[in-house]
Amino acid sequence: DAKTTQPPSMDCAEGRAANLPCNHSTISGNEYVYWYRQIHSQGPQYIIHGLKNNETNEMASLIITEDRKSSTLILPHATLRDTAVYYCIVRVDNYGQNFVFGPGTRLSVLP
Amino acid sequence: KAGVTQTPRYLIKTRGQQVTLSCSPISGHRSVSWYQQTPGQGLQFLFEYFSETQRNKGNFPGRFSGRQFSNSRSEMNVSTLELGDSALYLCASSPQWDTEAFFGQGTRLTVV
Repeated sequence: DAKTTQPPSMDCAEGRAANLPCNHSTISGNEYVYWYRQIHSQGPQYIIHGLKNNETNEMASLIITEDRKSSTLILPHATLRDTAVYYCIVRVDNYGQNFVFGPGTRLSVLP
Repeated sequence: KAGVTQTPRYLIKTRGQQVTLSCSPISGHRSVSWYQQTPGQGLQFLFEYFSETQRNKGNFPGRFSGRQFSNSRSEMNVSTLELGDSALYLCASSPQWDTEAFFGQGTRLTVV
């Protein structure tokens, strides 16, 4: 699976949009981009995933660049409960459940 | 619908002992995977089961093993515990083996 690069930490003001970037310049054509988050001492929570089109669900939006070398997770109105470590993962979707988690981005939502 | 349930939530064992952790997946999910999370190594994939068969295995020693039952419930076993096995062990389930995974709250194992 391709390697991802994320900033180690970010701050965001409560109520503002949080934009979390992820670089995956070696992504292959059949690799999906997944986002998970982990709130302290809890299990990771699935957020969203996509292949090449932008995706939106009730939690977030995923914007993937046209060349697919990077993506951005957008939390439209961040709350204090969104403070967590966010993981961007690239994987082939028919290759089983072995997600490779990197160090992620620690997002702090500030009041 | 109930989430992934892991038992026990906390466990303290002595070096050299063995331990069995349990995971009940979301109803209808057939794939169960296990991860180890430590401060030093982060989240690492242990193994994955689908329809009672191990499909993938991470880079862990043979002391780590698992199985899946016909009702999709899964157990993982660690034999001859070492201090370095102290970690949060996470179980995740998926409807199929190629979709997103949903994680449980984990079992925190402390080896003393």
